[in-house]
Amino acid sequence: NAGVTQTPKFQVLKTGQSMTLQCAQDMNHNSMYWYRQDPGMGLRLIYYSASEGTTDKGEVPNGYNVSRLNKREFSLRLESAAPSQTSVYFCASTQNLGSSYEQYFGPGTRLTVT
Amino acid sequence: AQSVTQLDSQVPVFEEAPVELRCNYSSSVSVYLFWYVQYPNQGLQLLLKYLSGSTLVKGINGFEAEFNKSQTSFHLRKPSVHISDTAEYFCAVRTISGNTPLVFGKGTRLSVIA
Repeated sequence: NAGVTQTPKFQVLKTGQSMTLQCAQDMNHNSMYWYRQDPGMGLRLIYYSASEGTTDKGEVPNGYNVSRLNKREFSLRLESAAPSQTSVYFCASTQNLGSSYEQYFGPGTRLTVT
Repeated sequence: AQSVTQLDSQVPVFEEAPVELRCNYSSSVSVYLFWYVQYPNQGLQLLLKYLSGSTLVKGINGFEAEFNKSQTSFHLRKPSVHISDTAEYFCAVRTISGNTPLVFGKGTRLSVIA
């Protein structure tokens, strides 16, 4: 099992450019999440998908859109990147049943917007 | 809504000394509790979790945490730290019912000094 994979690992964008961050999990998990991590701020939830076909806003959704393409894949799109979106982005997934409530994280995407 | 407060942003400690990383949470409903570790330039990895049962929870790498409902705390401890424990540690909570995401604290950076 690869677990949670994210592409790309690094990306530099100019202000106003768009891009999509890809996330996939091979653990048959129901729920998937996108977080951003900034120094001193911990992890803040951008969007999540509790189950295939549903998405909900998190704490910091402005400037982002998401697509739950199927049970495995959950993408995050920046339509018009801004310097404030410079951050490390983590995707996570969880099964949400039995004793398996913990989230499994991908390795992250480091995004710089100039 | 839930919230998590990690009382120390940075904790320096000498090698082989004990350490305690403090976490308090706020919630009007019952919660599950988690500690994650993040090594430099990596994703988050689960250290331990409290779902129910014994309030003393043992995790990986010799860490343990104690759930104290009356004080709404979930402090992380290790009796003797190693250089390799240098990392950032995150406390997180989620509600027991419903398909809700984790809420993270802002993190504590543990620096182990030789």
